[in-house]
Amino acid sequence: DGGITQSPKYLFRKEGQNVTLSCEQNLNHDAMYWYRQDPGQGLRLIYYSQIVNDFQKGDIAEGYSVSREKKESFPLTVTSAQKNPTAFYLCASTEGGVRGSYEQYFGPGTRLTVT
Amino acid sequence: QQQVKQSPQSLIVQKGGISIINCAYENTAFDYFPWYQQFPGKGPALLIAIRPDVSEKKEGRFTISFNKSAKQFSLHIMDSQPGDSATYFCAASEGGSYIPTFGRGTSLIVHP
Repeated sequence: DGGITQSPKYLFRKEGQNVTLSCEQNLNHDAMYWYRQDPGQGLRLIYYSQIVNDFQKGDIAEGYSVSREKKESFPLTVTSAQKNPTAFYLCASTEGGVRGSYEQYFGPGTRLTVT
Repeated sequence: QQQVKQSPQSLIVQKGGISIINCAYENTAFDYFPWYQQFPGKGPALLIAIRPDVSEKKEGRFTISFNKSAKQFSLHIMDSQPGDSATYFCAASEGGSYIPTFGRGTSLIVHP
């Protein structure tokens, strides 16, 4: 089955620690995204990547970092510089490319709690 | 600056009723308007989408109505069921851009 996997589903960390969230897709999609979801805030874009080895900041990139070394993988690191990291994190992908579909496919999400 | 304004923030309807969620946008370059459905603890999934060359699209009990001149589009859920209880997001994308702008979401509860 094609899709997006995120791991782990729940993650707990102490304040001051960096943590990396995994995102893998086997849809052969060019574009991948990370969103943060907080109650009443909708989906806010953290980073996106439209091609391997390239990525751009979204609306709320401060305190986060990403890499895109492989087409199928787009891990997100939440650094200690992120002031309020507790949230639900969603990874997504889109076919992208020339005349690709605009539909976004989302993973199941990772709920991060930092205390 | 919120480019896609979604209302209401929450909605409660009775089973069998009609649920209506509205979105308004400002960017006239938007040309793809999807609706996503998200169940608690899950990722969103595409429900239905429309392009501005049509004014309405229907898939089963779900209909998008699109008003290009008013820069508004809405989701209608006919014969609403308790299983439709979820959060619904509208979104909009510009041609050639794969970066959608999302509304803030509507929490729908359908009472049995």
